[in-house]
Amino acid sequence: NAGVTQTPKFQVLKTGQSMTLQCAQDMNHEYMSWYRQDPGMGLRLIHYSVGAGITDQGEVPNGYNVSRSTTEDFPLRLLSAAPSQTSVYFCATLPRGLNTGELFFGEGSRLTVL
Amino acid sequence: SQKIEQNSEALNIQEGKTATLTCNYTNYSPAYLQWYRQDPGRGPVFLLLIRENEKEKRKERLKVTFDTTLKQSLFHITASQPADSATYLCALDPYSGYALNFGKGTSLLVTP
Repeated sequence: NAGVTQTPKFQVLKTGQSMTLQCAQDMNHEYMSWYRQDPGMGLRLIHYSVGAGITDQGEVPNGYNVSRSTTEDFPLRLLSAAPSQTSVYFCATLPRGLNTGELFFGEGSRLTVL
Repeated sequence: SQKIEQNSEALNIQEGKTATLTCNYTNYSPAYLQWYRQDPGRGPVFLLLIRENEKEKRKERLKVTFDTTLKQSLFHITASQPADSATYLCALDPYSGYALNFGKGTSLLVTP
């Protein structure tokens, strides 16, 4: 039981390049989300999904796309990377609504955009 | 606008003492509040959830209080240990039951 697995752990991109951050969970959790964490800004929600086929925007969605074709996977796509997207990205899941318990976080993906 | 405020300055305490961290919020009407721990280079780990009708909640050496009138939560670690050194985050649901807003966290350093 791996929990929440994020890949890659580290990535360096050039401005304008595209890439996908992968998030996979083996806990059969309905809810999955992506946060970014920047110094002095705390964790900010990018996108989230309450189940396969359903996604919604969080606080800072611009520049990112997501899809949820399976319960297990929730990839985050950067279509044209910008230096402002340099950050640490966390995927987080939970079984049902937030009022029932805690978020399970992955170990993070550290992205640098040059 | 909605705000979650945690002490930005690091809290340094001596081993064995009680650490108290503060989380204040504005423009939220939360049904519950959560606390997480984050170690350097790691993802946050859930510690406690307290609901609006609960004044206090305990888990081992941890105690959380929740005062919806003061719009404040206090997080206590009793008999603190160096292993408790980490950043502690509080989090609130702004609206939907499917998102959490996090404070910026308070760094705790427990010295022997």
